[in-house]
Amino acid sequence: DGGITQSPKYLFRKEGQNVTLSCEQNLNHDAMYWYRQDPGQGLRLIYYSQIVNDFQKGDIAEGYSVSREKKESFPLTVTSAQKNPTAFYLCASSIHLASYEQYFGPGTRLTVT
Amino acid sequence: KQEVTQIPAALSVPEGENLVLNCSFTDSAIYNLQWFRQDPGKGLTSLLLIQSSQREQTSGRLNASLDKSSGRSTLYIAASQPGDSATYLCAVRQGGGSEKLVFGKGTKLTVNP
Repeated sequence: DGGITQSPKYLFRKEGQNVTLSCEQNLNHDAMYWYRQDPGQGLRLIYYSQIVNDFQKGDIAEGYSVSREKKESFPLTVTSAQKNPTAFYLCASSIHLASYEQYFGPGTRLTVT
Repeated sequence: KQEVTQIPAALSVPEGENLVLNCSFTDSAIYNLQWFRQDPGKGLTSLLLIQSSQREQTSGRLNASLDKSSGRSTLYIAASQPGDSATYLCAVRQGGGSEKLVFGKGTKLTVNP
C-alpha cells in the first residue's frame, strides 16, 4: 500500500531532550511538509522540502530542524530550544508543487514533561 | 496575511440531513482550496481539491464549491450518516508560488443516529 507513515504514534520526552520524529512516504512524491496542530488552532507549517537536500522554513521553524537526504524520508527534530513542544505533529507530501493535493500521515503526538 | 475562517465551529445534526459547512478566506489570490476530514487523534484525509479556476468538485455525497472573488467555499454533505462525524478542515494554498497551506480551525460535525 502506498502512503505516509509516521512513527512513533505517541512519544514522551523529558524537557531539555532533543527528539526526532520519523516520516516516510512511498508515493514517489517530491514535496514533503511538517505541520504542528494544537487544540483549538489550525495547522501551522514548520518546514517543507521541495526536493532532496533542500528545505525551507515555514511559519514556526524556531526550535525545529529537518533533513532531506532521501526522497522518501523527511525527519523532524524537536530541539530543547522549542519552548512549547507538546503538540500533535503531522507530516504530509504532494506530488510536486502548488497545484497538487497534500496527503497526510497519521501523526505523532509528542508530550514533553 | 491570509486568514481562513470556518463557521460554525461545531454542528450537530440528525442522520439523513443535508448540511453545509462554510469556509471563508480574506485574500482571494489563491492557487487552490482543499477540504479535509480529521477523525479524533488521526491524520487528515483529503476529500476534495478545487483549483482556483474551478467552481466546484464532487465526490460521492460530497460537493465543494468555490467563489474566489467573494472568498468563500462551501462543503455540502448529502444524506448525512453517523460515519460522517469528524472535524472538517479547509485550507487554501496561496498564489505567487507559495508552498504554504493556510488552514481554518475546522468544523466539528456530529451526526446523530
